[in-house]
Formats: sequence, structure tokens, C-alpha cells
Amino acid sequence: DAGVTQSPTHLIKTRGQQVTLRCSPKSGHDTVSWYQQALGQGPQFIFQYYEEEERQRGNFPDRFSGHQFPNYSSELNVNALLLGDSALYLCASSLKANQPQHFGDGTRLSIL
Amino acid sequence: QQQVKQSPQSLIVQKGGISIINCAYENTAFDYFPWYQQFPGKGPALLIAIRPDVSEKKEGRFTISFNKSAKQFSLHIMDSQPGDSATYFCAAGVNNAGNMLTFGGGTRLMVKP
Repeated sequence: DAGVTQSPTHLIKTRGQQVTLRCSPKSGHDTVSWYQQALGQGPQFIFQYYEEEERQRGNFPDRFSGHQFPNYSSELNVNALLLGDSALYLCASSLKANQPQHFGDGTRLSIL
Repeated sequence: QQQVKQSPQSLIVQKGGISIINCAYENTAFDYFPWYQQFPGKGPALLIAIRPDVSEKKEGRFTISFNKSAKQFSLHIMDSQPGDSATYFCAAGVNNAGNMLTFGGGTRLMVKP
């Protein structure tokens, strides 16, 4: 039973570039949430997707956008990258939005 | 109002001892309180969770105590083991709002053999 998988595991970009991160939810899960975890801090909620629509959004600018596909997998896109976007990006999935969330191991994004 | 405050930031416990981590919240709408364990290079793993209709929940060596009136909850790890050395995060969410989780700042636990 595969858990939440994220790709790539590491990524290096420069300021101003755009990036796409990918997430496959745990088998049977239909809801995907994205979090940003800065070094030494707790994760911060970015947004949540259910039925291919953004259902909840945290305090992140419009440079952060996402998508959910019919197979429940999801992408996180970040435009006009800033140095402060360097972080571990975590994807969590759940069976329905009000069920426990299970996290992947994240994508480490470094901005130079 | 959305903050969750976690303490201590770091904790050193001897093998076999009890590790205690505390969290406090402000938003009375929170009704779901999970704890996550994170090892270096890994994502957070769900340990145990509680809802405010109970004051305590125990799973193995892990116990959550919940004080609704004080808006505080804590994690107790009994018989702490070196393998428990990790960073622990408390979180809070509103069940009917998709469980958008607000996390505490984390506690780095080291269990000495």
C-alpha cells in the first residue's frame, strides 16, 4: 500500500523562475493538502484540493497555485520565485477533507 | 488567533523517562488536535489525535491530555526510548473546514541511552 509520494525530492532554482511540484496521494485518498515547512519551523498550510477544486487556502500569495487531476494527484506551482520560498514542501492526503492527513516526505526547494 | 504555541523548543530525557510536550491555542473553533512525529529528511507522521469531547486519549506509550477550558493540550511519551528522538509537532484544525491544520513550532526531543 503506497503512501503519499512526492517528486522531485530536491530541486534548485534561481530567483524569478517558476517551479512545479507533484504529489500522488495515498491509495484510496481523494483530498490533497499542501504545506510549506521552513527550516526549523512547523508546516504552514498553503491550500487544499478536493474534487479538482481548491477548497481551502492559507495566507499565501497568488504566486502559489495548484491543480488536482481526476486521479486525485496534485501539482503545486510557484511563480516568480523568491529567496524566501526556499523550504520543504509537503503534500498530505486524506480520505475526505475531515479525515486524518498523511504526509509525504516532501520536496526540498532551494532558491539561489 | 490562529496560532498554536508549543513548548519546550527542545527536550532531553533519559531512556525510560517521561517526555512531556505542551501546546496552547487561542481559536475556540479548533476541534481536532493531532500530534505528528518527524525524523530528519522525512515528512511528519501522524502519532495520535484527540477531539475536545474527551480529556485524554492513550495509544501505547503515547497519551494526549486535553484541557478545553484552558485551551491547552499535551503529549506524554512514557518509557521514552532513543528511537523516539525526533521533532514533535502539535497541530489544530477545524473539522468542518477541511481540517486545515495550524502547527506549533515543534519540539526537538533527544532521548539519551
